[in-house]
Amino acid sequence: KAGVTQTPRYLIKTRGQQVTLSCSPISGHRSVSWYQQTPGQGLQFLFEYFSETQRNKGNFPGRFSGRQFSNSRSEMNVSTLELGDSALYLCASSLWTSGVYEQYFGPGTRLTVT
Amino acid sequence: TQLLEQSPQFLSIQEGENLTVYCNSSSVFSSLQWYRQEPGEGPVLLVTVVTGGEVKKLKRLTFQFGDARKDSSLHITAAQPGDTGLYLCAGSYNDMRFGAGTRLTVKP
Repeated sequence: KAGVTQTPRYLIKTRGQQVTLSCSPISGHRSVSWYQQTPGQGLQFLFEYFSETQRNKGNFPGRFSGRQFSNSRSEMNVSTLELGDSALYLCASSLWTSGVYEQYFGPGTRLTVT
Repeated sequence: TQLLEQSPQFLSIQEGENLTVYCNSSSVFSSLQWYRQEPGEGPVLLVTVVTGGEVKKLKRLTFQFGDARKDSSLHITAAQPGDTGLYLCAGSYNDMRFGAGTRLTVKP
């Protein structure tokens, strides 16, 4: 079974621009979560989508948004980029297995904002 | 403030040594997971522990969930350079919460 794929792997943008990142979950997984990882803050939860609906949202400004499509693929968008948005953005697809919620991560998209 | 506190933050040891890293919280978790992350990659799930007092072994790695389901430990026996990486614990809260991680370096 193929793993979680994220595109692009690397991205360089300028302050004020916007960016869209894409995630394809493991086949059969309907839940997709997004995280931001930085050296200073670690892994921070952005949001979770399940069956095209946002089920949970972390403490990030409204510039961060996402969506999920009917095939479970997900995108996240960051508008009006700031230098502090430079980070590794990770997508995880999730499955309930025997009452346990397990996440499987993609390789991430490394976003650099200059 | 991290919901999950991991210690130590950094650990550098020689090949063949044993080590233990800890994950502590004041909150009770229904389950707790351990991940290992290598540079430039996403975290890889190692194990999920569910029952208080549970012990799981994965080759040279031993994972323990505290009786009260608030803490966990990861013990590595005879560490190898391939064990080098960032070890993260995560607990299911309203959403999945991660500790800051323990960065382990095993020198040959």
